[in-house]
Amino acid sequence: NAGVTQTPKFRVLKTGQSMTLLCAQDMNHEYMYWYRQDPGMGLRLIHYSVGEGTTAKGEVPDGYNVSRLKKQNFLLGLESAAPSQTSVYFCASSPTGSHNQPQHFGDGTRLSIL
Amino acid sequence: GENVEQHPSTLSVQEGDSAVIKCTYSDSASNYFPWYKQELGKRPQLIIDIRSNVGEKKDQRIAVTLNKTAKHFSLHITETQPEDSAVYFCAASGNTPLVFGKGTRLSVIA
Repeated sequence: NAGVTQTPKFRVLKTGQSMTLLCAQDMNHEYMYWYRQDPGMGLRLIHYSVGEGTTAKGEVPDGYNVSRLKKQNFLLGLESAAPSQTSVYFCASSPTGSHNQPQHFGDGTRLSIL
Repeated sequence: GENVEQHPSTLSVQEGDSAVIKCTYSDSASNYFPWYKQELGKRPQLIIDIRSNVGEKKDQRIAVTLNKTAKHFSLHITETQPEDSAVYFCAASGNTPLVFGKGTRLSVIA
């Protein structure tokens, strides 16, 4: 039982390049979330999904897109990377019902945009 | 939307002393208040949570209190140990996703 797995763990991009971060969970959770973590800023919600085929914007969605084609996977895309998107990205999942459930986090992806 | 303020941003305590971290929230509809611990380079992990129908909850050396009238909740760690050193985040949610505080870096000095 791996929990929440994020791929890749590290990545360096050049400005303007695109990439996709993958989050996979094996706990049959309905809700999934993407956060970014910057020094002194806590965890800020980028996008989230309350079920397969559904996504919604969070606090800082600009410059990112997401897809939830399968219940176990939640993809975060950067279409044209910018230095301001240098951050640590965390994916999390929680059981069905509401947002008021414990969230299980992945190990994070450290992304640098040059 | 919800806004969560967390204080202090840094906290140093001697081993064996108590540590208290406080958070305030703005949305009276919020009813779930978790606390996460994040060690350096690791993922955030839930350490305790409380719901609005409860005023206090304890788990060994950790306790959380909630004052819905004043819209604030606090994390209390007693008999601190070096392994308690980490960044702690509070959060709040109701019908919308969790909003996190900016974190408190706790250092326990041996």
